[in-house]
Amino acid sequence: DTAVSQTPKYLVTQMGNDKSIKCEQNLGHDTMYWYKQDSKKFLKIMFSYNNKELIINETVPNRFSPKSPDKAHLNLHINSLELGDSAVYFCASSLPGQGIEQYFGPGTRLTVT
Amino acid sequence: TQLLEQSPQFLSIQEGENLTVYCNSSSVFSSLQWYRQEPGEGPVLLVTVVTGGEVKKLKRLTFQFGDARKDSSLHITAAQPGDTGLYLCAGERTSGTYKYIFGTGTRLKVLA
Repeated sequence: DTAVSQTPKYLVTQMGNDKSIKCEQNLGHDTMYWYKQDSKKFLKIMFSYNNKELIINETVPNRFSPKSPDKAHLNLHINSLELGDSAVYFCASSLPGQGIEQYFGPGTRLTVT
Repeated sequence: TQLLEQSPQFLSIQEGENLTVYCNSSSVFSSLQWYRQEPGEGPVLLVTVVTGGEVKKLKRLTFQFGDARKDSSLHITAAQPGDTGLYLCAGERTSGTYKYIFGTGTRLKVLA
C-alpha cells in the first residue's frame, strides 16, 4: 500500500524534449508538493497545491507546469528540457494544520543528455 | 543564502558512538520536522516539534527545539549502521517568503 507514488522512477531524455512525471497519494491529504533535489542533496520546493489550487509557486522556469486533476494527483510537466534540469524530483503530500508533516514519494531521477 | 543551516555537513563515526546534529536559523519557526533520507528513496518523517524547549525521544534519537524556536538539535546515542543516511531538518517559518524550507542536510555514515 504505497502512500505516495511517482512514475517513472528514472527518466533519461534529450535536451529539448517535453516530459511528464506523475504523482498520486492515497493518504487523503489536501496538500501536495513538488520538490527538486540537486546533486548536493538540497531540497527546494517548486510548487504546492491545496485541493487542486496552486498556493506556492516558487521561482522556477515557466517550462515547469504542475497540473492537479484532483486532490490525489499532482503531475509535473516539463517543456524544452535543459541539462540543468537534471535532478531528483520528489512529490510529497501533507494535511493542513500545525506542523506540516510531509510524506514523500520515492523520487524520479531525471537525467537530461 | 541558506535559511536553515545544518552542521556538520558530513559525519563519519564508529558504531556505538554518540553524535549531535544541529539545525540553526535566524528565523522563527512555528514547527520543525526532522527527516531521514536513504539513498534512492524519499525523506521519511522522524518527528515534529512545536513548542519552544520541547524535547522528544524516538528510541536512541533525542530531538530538541530551541527555546526561541529558531534552532533544533538531533542527538543519537550509541549509533548503529542502520542510522546511516541523510538527515534533514525542515520548518514552517512564521513570516517571510519560502514559508516551508529544508535545511542543508547532514550526511551520516556509521561504520560497523
